[in-house]
Amino acid sequence: EDQVTQSPEALRLQEGESSSLNCSYTVSGLRGLFWYRQDPGKGPEFLFTLYSAGEEKEKERLKATLTKKESFLHITAPKPEDSATYLCACSNQAGTALIFGKGTTLSVSS
Amino acid sequence: NAGVTQTPKFQVLKTGQSMTLQCAQDMNHNSMYWYRQDPGMGLRLIYYSASEGTTDKGEVPNGYNVSRLNKREFSLRLESAAPSQTSVYFCASSQRLAPGSSYEQYFGPGTRLTVT
Repeated sequence: EDQVTQSPEALRLQEGESSSLNCSYTVSGLRGLFWYRQDPGKGPEFLFTLYSAGEEKEKERLKATLTKKESFLHITAPKPEDSATYLCACSNQAGTALIFGKGTTLSVSS
Repeated sequence: NAGVTQTPKFQVLKTGQSMTLQCAQDMNHNSMYWYRQDPGMGLRLIYYSASEGTTDKGEVPNGYNVSRLNKREFSLRLESAAPSQTSVYFCASSQRLAPGSSYEQYFGPGTRLTVT
């Protein structure tokens, strides 16, 4: 069964304290791995797509990387406005749906 | 572009009542989806439409029906609401859904539904 697991469930950081969020997956024939940001009371906002092991994508303070078993979302020198829930999702070989993890809730305090 | 829009934003129903959630996208996407999000459960797919004229069940379809009205619009209907359907419902769209391909999905702002 295809599965996506995110860790930790919650992460508290001080402003400027860099860290990483983990997304491990067991998906048959991974076609794509997606990262989303979700603010309270809003829909998920697309951040990155990664297609193959070794691929990296960057956006401002965020950098996503992909291996054959997991993906990391690195947050460099975070600011309070980076506080949100970050969701990871995978598309399998059938390509019929995204399989979502339960998310990591990040809180950054000043 | 508005992206993906959903109506209503909030709704309270009594058990047994029916309602339709509306979704529209203006990105000329072929594929559309309905998800529900519950605390501790993550996002779960209810139904999807790979292209205009087709719909398929997702992970949790029981108690729901869908209609792909045209390329832009995809509605979700609860025929007889139950308290277990209290949730936040998200509509999403993507360029194309096909085996061997993968495209990011774009989400609407959600409908918060409470069934009492």
